[in-house]
Amino acid sequence: DSGVTQTPKHLITATGQRVTLRCSPRSGDLSVYWYQQSLDQGLQFLIQYYNGEERAKGNILERFSAQQFPDLHSELNLSSLELGDSALYFCASNALGLEYNEQFFGPGTRLTVL
Amino acid sequence: GQSLEQPSEVTAVEGAIVQINCTYQTSGFYGLSWYQQHDGGAPTFLSYNGLDGLEETGRFSSFLSRSDSYGYLLLQELQMKDSASYFCAVFPGYSNASKIIFGSGTRLSIQP
Repeated sequence: DSGVTQTPKHLITATGQRVTLRCSPRSGDLSVYWYQQSLDQGLQFLIQYYNGEERAKGNILERFSAQQFPDLHSELNLSSLELGDSALYFCASNALGLEYNEQFFGPGTRLTVL
Repeated sequence: GQSLEQPSEVTAVEGAIVQINCTYQTSGFYGLSWYQQHDGGAPTFLSYNGLDGLEETGRFSSFLSRSDSYGYLLLQELQMKDSASYFCAVFPGYSNASKIIFGSGTRLSIQP
């Protein structure tokens, strides 16, 4: 158990819908990272937050957005969903927001778009 | 552009040694990391090489050569529980979009 929690575990929705994925970092960690992992693929970095502020943006679609709240939990919002958005979405956290430091990953949210 | 290449699959025998290579095309990065992911699980950190050379942690070692744009993960005394996917990652750090780049992963299968 990494100490990072993600909800929900599974999400099934239809094309065109909007969903919100939630992540709580490890206690004491200030930085949250979001990743997308499609079937049998590597991890695609989406976005990073540090202490409530966006720090880096990766290959994140305009239909996707995220934020980190004062209590440091983060939400990833996915809208106008397409079939290709079906994937595992992981969040990870670490203390100082240095991406090359060990990142602790949550169990992921499996999104299925029908 | 930046890219990482890893073999897609490797098979080895229990008790043996296996090396998983990672070659990259990027420049000016902080270092190279390795993560392990079991089927259905979350990635877990194995190692980070910020400098050239070999880093050893128990049965696992990782190596980086910036001059050769090459790194590898070495797993010794293989156990069945080592069957997993292994991802290398580089951290270019000089632009947001390229801040974190993961390879597509190597699926390691251990046979008795």
